[in-house]
Amino acid sequence: GAVVSQHPSWVICKSGTSVKIECRSLDFQATTMFWYRQFPKQSLMLMATSNEGSKATYEQGVEKDKFLINHASLTLSTLTVTSAHPEDSSFYICSARAPGYTEAFFGQGTRLTVV
Amino acid sequence: GENVEQHPSTLSVQEGDSAVIKCTYSDSASNYFPWYKQELGKRPQLIIDIRSNVGEKKDQRIAVTLNKTAKHFSLHITETQPEDSAVYFCAAKLEYSSASKIIFGSGTRLSIRP
Repeated sequence: GAVVSQHPSWVICKSGTSVKIECRSLDFQATTMFWYRQFPKQSLMLMATSNEGSKATYEQGVEKDKFLINHASLTLSTLTVTSAHPEDSSFYICSARAPGYTEAFFGQGTRLTVV
Repeated sequence: GENVEQHPSTLSVQEGDSAVIKCTYSDSASNYFPWYKQELGKRPQLIIDIRSNVGEKKDQRIAVTLNKTAKHFSLHITETQPEDSAVYFCAAKLEYSSASKIIFGSGTRLSIRP
């Protein structure tokens, strides 16, 4: 299968600061990547679809000014949580579809804790 | 809107018995249905999937069935083992002319009793 790498695996930040999470496709080019958020014991909620070279498509209820997505190259998408608050603490996971595959491959996730 | 419902939320079965998890979807544009297994703190791992032109698919102890008319699909695990304990998510892929996305069910926490 294809490999998607996410960095960092975990991060602790102070309330009010911004945090950037990277999602990389290591052995394929991904024109589209997806960002999910998962609260403890809950499902993966799609936040936005990241499109290389264009604006991301956000799901209803997700603040685009708070969750900035940049997909500047075919192998990298970033999610920046701006002015983080404790309620933003969650597990953030990216995924991407590789050419020739129907299924999505997931990064290992980033556990964000805002204190 | 798009919605995937999953039942039950928790399931406990005796080792060696079978486990069944059921999902329904709302959007008839859905054409691909993967199942993921997620262990605590780890990424979801694809365990089996089925496309909308197929009614059933089996891979060793795992099988998935799809009823397009009723818009529901199920995961069947036979001869369960302790390592099957995890959270399982069903999902449905919606395909539009210019985009596609995968929507997840709420998850089922499966526990295998020794």
